[in-house]
Amino acid sequence: EAQVTQNPRYLITVTGKKLTVTCSQNMNHEYMSWYRQDPGLGLRQIYYSMNVEVTDKGDVPEGYKVSRKEKRNFPLILESPSPNQTSLYFCASSPLSQSSQHFGDGTRLSIL
Amino acid sequence: DAKTTQPPSMDCAEGRAANLPCNHSTISGNEYVYWYRQIHSQGPQYIIHGLKNNETNEMASLIITEDRKSSTLILPHATLRDTAVYYCIVRVGLSAGKSTFGDGTTLTVKP
Repeated sequence: EAQVTQNPRYLITVTGKKLTVTCSQNMNHEYMSWYRQDPGLGLRQIYYSMNVEVTDKGDVPEGYKVSRKEKRNFPLILESPSPNQTSLYFCASSPLSQSSQHFGDGTRLSIL
Repeated sequence: DAKTTQPPSMDCAEGRAANLPCNHSTISGNEYVYWYRQIHSQGPQYIIHGLKNNETNEMASLIITEDRKSSTLILPHATLRDTAVYYCIVRVGLSAGKSTFGDGTTLTVKP
């Protein structure tokens, strides 16, 4: 089954403790992206990647890092999480030649 | 990418057509209109996209005005399961890249 898998689905952690949210897709898609969603707001793009070793900033990249060492994986790294990064996070992927993205089920992150 | 404007909320009676408008008055000639929806807090789901011609698939129809400054997503026979937030976005071409979602329209389908 074609899917985008995020882990963990839920995480409660404390300020300053480094964390990584993994994202993996099994569709051989070149493009992958991370979004955050806050109450009352739409999706805001954090980072995206057009292919292995190619990443670019979205609209809200501050406080986040990403890497794309393999085509299927695109982890989101919070080096020093802060409470304002409490949010619902989505990973998405698509072929490079089209823009209809497949989204994961989301990761709900709470930083105390 | 062009900015889009959508009404924050709409209601629709079950079984009737739901018509969701989107304004994209600054759209460029090479920008496509895409629609997604998000049910509760699930991952958004792609619905349909188009450039200038009307499009139809198994989920919905997309009507784009001749000047391309606005579009309407039509769900022909809305069901309770169509209650969701609907996002209209515009993107350059068919290539993936930077992607900006607006606040969307919350559609509530009522029995």
